Amino acid sequence: KNEVEQSPQNLTAQEGEFITINCSYSVGISALHWLQQHPGGGIVSLFMLSSGKKKHGRLIATINIQEKHSSLHITASHPRDSAVYICAVTFGNEKLTFGTGTRLTIIP
Amino acid sequence: NAGVMQNPRHLVRRRGQEARLRCSPMKGHSHVYWYRQLPEEGLKFMVYLQKENIIDESGMPKERFSAEFPKEGPSILRIQQVVRGDSAAYFCASSPRFRDADTQYFGPGTRLTVL
Repeated sequence: KNEVEQSPQNLTAQEGEFITINCSYSVGISALHWLQQHPGGGIVSLFMLSSGKKKHGRLIATINIQEKHSSLHITASHPRDSAVYICAVTFGNEKLTFGTGTRLTIIP
Repeated sequence: NAGVMQNPRHLVRRRGQEARLRCSPMKGHSHVYWYRQLPEEGLKFMVYLQKENIIDESGMPKERFSAEFPKEGPSILRIQQVVRGDSAAYFCASSPRFRDADTQYFGPGTRLTVL
């Protein structure tokens, strides 16, 4: 069983919709990361969280340490947001443990 | 400020050959991580290195795989006697210092295809 679970695995939405991607983990963590991977492309780090909430443009990431849960929100979604979004955590060491990713498709 | 550089971006090898993947971390970063993404699978940690030291290689296959990060030059991930199952995208990431809360900056990846 993966230590990091993401849902949904696939998400298709219309342009402009509010998007939520969820991530849960099984034990205490040091930090949680949200990453973005475009098809055939590299990986971009979007957020690193250890508590609370962060916002960057149309992207918002929240984390609830007690519930071991994080969400990534995208407001006013756009086709260029189509990508795989990956949740990853560190468990008190340096290496990242990854979720399986959420494939997001935004339809114009 | 250049980001993390990886080369080659695409590498094709025949079974039994050697593959060498290179990673140049961001300027000022002394910590390098290698991750592998098998086709249709998630990313998996392979190895964590600092200059001249392997810190954690718990994700490296026991045979045929090795990694180094010399005092001068890029980090190298070496795969000897490649097999078809080694076909994957190999990503390198770097961070500036020893803290698990540091953001890791990813390179563009090397796509290895074994024929």
